[in-house]
Amino acid sequence: GQSLEQPSEVTAVEGAIVQINCTYQTSGFYGLSWYQQHDGGAPTFLSYNALDGLEETGRFSSFLSRSDSYGYLLLQELQMKDSASYFCAVRDGGGGNKLTFGTGTQLKVEL
Amino acid sequence: DAMVIQNPRYQVTQFGKPVTLSCSQTLNHNVMYWYQQKSSQAPKLLFHYYDKDFNNEADTPDNFQSRRPNTSFCFLDIRSPGLGDAAMYLCATSSNGGGEETQYFGPGTRLLVL
Repeated sequence: GQSLEQPSEVTAVEGAIVQINCTYQTSGFYGLSWYQQHDGGAPTFLSYNALDGLEETGRFSSFLSRSDSYGYLLLQELQMKDSASYFCAVRDGGGGNKLTFGTGTQLKVEL
Repeated sequence: DAMVIQNPRYQVTQFGKPVTLSCSQTLNHNVMYWYQQKSSQAPKLLFHYYDKDFNNEADTPDNFQSRRPNTSFCFLDIRSPGLGDAAMYLCATSSNGGGEETQYFGPGTRLLVL
């Protein structure tokens, strides 16, 4: 089966750096995505890693280690608006590019 | 702007009364997905259409059906809603043409079953 584990909750202060980890066990793997979801809102795409290493997009970076079945999302210079849920998701590569989402991490940014 | 649209944003139905949720897209993507998301949980894929080909997840209840009459529109039919079907229903699209295969989500329809 598919399983992706994330910490349920992370709290950090404004301006800090926070790392959200994701470990996965899936039958197929083509890449790891990260999505942000504010309360009551839709998930929005943040980043995608198909290969090992670090991908940087502004204040957000994402890392993947395929050999360790592990990835993380790094958020720098935290802002209050970053308070949201963050989901990792594995793309299984089948027809239709299905995603299996992780358990989600609720990030709370405090002053 | 190209987007994924879901109507209505909130839907109230009665226990056992059929309900249809709608999704449309202006992205011209060939893949459309329906997810169910319950409070504080991850989105759970119900099924998806790859062009006209319907793909059901193994654990999606028979109570849930879908129709895709054309590229732009996709419908989720719940034949006999139960209290446990109250959730946010998210529609998403992707192009499946290469690159990171981002899924683009609509704002969701929150279903309440009385």
